[in-house]
Amino acid sequence: QVQLRESGPGLVHPSDILSLSCSVSGGSVSRSVFYWAWIRQPPGKGLEWIGTISYSGSPDYNPSLKSRVTISLDTSINQFSLKVNSVAAADTAVYYCARQRSDGHFYYMDVWGNGTSVTVSS
Amino acid sequence: EIVLTQSPGTLSLSPGERVTLSCRASQSLSSNSLAWYQQKPGQAPRLLFYGASSRATGIPDRFSGSGSGTDFTLTISRLEPEDFAVYYCQQYGRSPYTFGLGTKLEIK
Repeated sequence: QVQLRESGPGLVHPSDILSLSCSVSGGSVSRSVFYWAWIRQPPGKGLEWIGTISYSGSPDYNPSLKSRVTISLDTSINQFSLKVNSVAAADTAVYYCARQRSDGHFYYMDVWGNGTSVTVSS
Repeated sequence: EIVLTQSPGTLSLSPGERVTLSCRASQSLSSNSLAWYQQKPGQAPRLLFYGASSRATGIPDRFSGSGSGTDFTLTISRLEPEDFAVYYCQQYGRSPYTFGLGTKLEIK
């Protein structure tokens, strides 16, 4: 059974780069039936899709974050990663990674990591 | 961007009751590309339904999803204590993928 686990620093200083990784076990990130996503949830608020990367490494980003975000895939270590540039307090959130699988038409998020809390503060 | 409006925001109910949650999309969703998630405090969201009405693995049959186009519903036929949580709908047919603000089910 596939499992996802986020890792990265819990505290990031304003204007710095936030870097997170998602380790995938029990399945390969390069299988063509799956995409891989990042989602975040500010404290006490709802869910926001950050972006998705396909099995071939092609990314798709939320326009609200596109100028600051990079998602990459490393098939050699079965991981995918998120970088957010120039962070501010508004980037404080729990960050989730998730697997997307096809329903025959589009890709829904079926497996989620437990999430990692990131605070942006000096 | 497709906006999803969930209603009501909060519901206070008792175990054993039946509940219907609503999710309305600002545009018609292709191939009913709508998912429902359940989230409990301190936990990640858990997939309940995809394709509006396809139940995810391990989801009890007291949960049902329905709808098409712009109007979708999640029904719990008989609330169990473990069902009190926040429920989110999400459209995944058009980028950017968007979530509703959620409906919180609380114990009355």
